[in-house]
Amino acid sequence: QSVVTQPPSASGTPGQRVTISCSGSSSNIGTSYVFWYQQLPGTAPRLLMYRNSQRPSGVPDRFSGSKSGTSASLAISGLRPEDEADYYCAAWDDSLRVVLLGGGTKLTVL
Amino acid sequence: QGQLVEFGGGVVQPGTSLRLSCVASAFNFRGYAMHWVRQAPGKGLEWVALISFDGVNKYHADSVKGRFAISRDNSENTLYLQMNSLRAEDSAVYYCARGLQDYNKASDVWGKGTTVTVSS
Repeated sequence: QSVVTQPPSASGTPGQRVTISCSGSSSNIGTSYVFWYQQLPGTAPRLLMYRNSQRPSGVPDRFSGSKSGTSASLAISGLRPEDEADYYCAAWDDSLRVVLLGGGTKLTVL
Repeated sequence: QGQLVEFGGGVVQPGTSLRLSCVASAFNFRGYAMHWVRQAPGKGLEWVALISFDGVNKYHADSVKGRFAISRDNSENTLYLQMNSLRAEDSAVYYCARGLQDYNKASDVWGKGTTVTVSS
């Protein structure tokens, strides 16, 4: 099965801007929208971004998303302690007909 | 906004079956696609299955294809996951989630999850 890949960890200090990358292939990120989830410890995931760069209502504009070719990224500016969480990218795979989730990136706010 | 509550988790032996339910409220259930997503202890999220709003189109992850089946009863506002031939690696918290209205591959409302443990 195709894989969507993201770094296992990322870190930053309060106020900094951090970026989390997500890499896929032509059958998923290359042809489908990318979406992102945030999962705080012990809670259910929360939709952070969809259609590559659209934020659901209630998500602060400190969060932004982008996509280019078979890669995507999530940027968090003005980092806050409460942003410490696991972040997952995802995309529909057109040939496998499944949703592919990345392995998750644990963001630490130092 | 909507609420989802999962039921049916528990401890079962390998090779047995279990059916999970997810009851929806505070939104028009029959108008939305629905997903199951699971998370093994200490691991990342794994998408399991997707069903269209009308139950016609169903998609399953390779890891569960042929063993699990997603279904829904729109008259009862309930989503199901029938899990057969359970394996130890199916042990996880199982979440049901609502597909976005304008892009149903992403999910905007999630339940709190129900825990399935497969162990002898």
